[in-house]
Amino acid sequence: EPEVTQTPSHQVTQMGQEVILRCVPISNHLYFYWYRQILGQKVEFLVSFYNNEISEKSEIFDDQFSVERPDGSNFTLKIRSTKLEDSAMYFCASSGRVRETQYFGPGTRLLVL
Amino acid sequence: AQSVTQLGSHVSVSEGALVLLRCNYSSSVPPYLFWYVQYPNQGLQLLLKYTSAATLVKGINGFEAEFKKSETSFHLTKPSAHMRDAAEYFCAVTPLGGSQGNLIFGKGTKLSVKP
Repeated sequence: EPEVTQTPSHQVTQMGQEVILRCVPISNHLYFYWYRQILGQKVEFLVSFYNNEISEKSEIFDDQFSVERPDGSNFTLKIRSTKLEDSAMYFCASSGRVRETQYFGPGTRLLVL
Repeated sequence: AQSVTQLGSHVSVSEGALVLLRCNYSSSVPPYLFWYVQYPNQGLQLLLKYTSAATLVKGINGFEAEFKKSETSFHLTKPSAHMRDAAEYFCAVTPLGGSQGNLIFGKGTKLSVKP
């Protein structure tokens, strides 16, 4: 069964460093998303991406964040200068023609020191 | 604005007992509603969804949920709990019935199953 994959599974970085989180969505999907879950809190929407551009973003998704689909398979989230409060589990998701059904990857746990 | 409230951050049941996880939503338009499950150290897996068809929705692993518009509820049930059901369960809503993509999640309910 096709699935969303994410790399790395864990990342530790120093405050102020740039990180890139990678996702490979399900191959025929059209919509791509990033969510995050700070430890002990709810899952929060960050951004959605369709047709090579951002379609929606939340207040969390400020200028420090960017997304890209550099090729036909990868979908990346870049945090330009990480802050302590960026420590969280980051989930990628994708959906196809049935847009509301999103399939989530296993997540990348980011720890900013 | 749409929101989801999950009553009870932690629910504990005995193996074989009924599971009832509560979810209430607020929405000014007919919503799409979802239940996701998160097993320890894993991602989110879709259990079931309501998208304005049948109000009683059956999902994977024996779970089902009923959409009750009058009560603005979408509670998740399973007749008989199994040890493997121990996980965190999230209720979610999509604004504007799916025309926007982002999911709004509740805070989650952690289900424990006692032998």
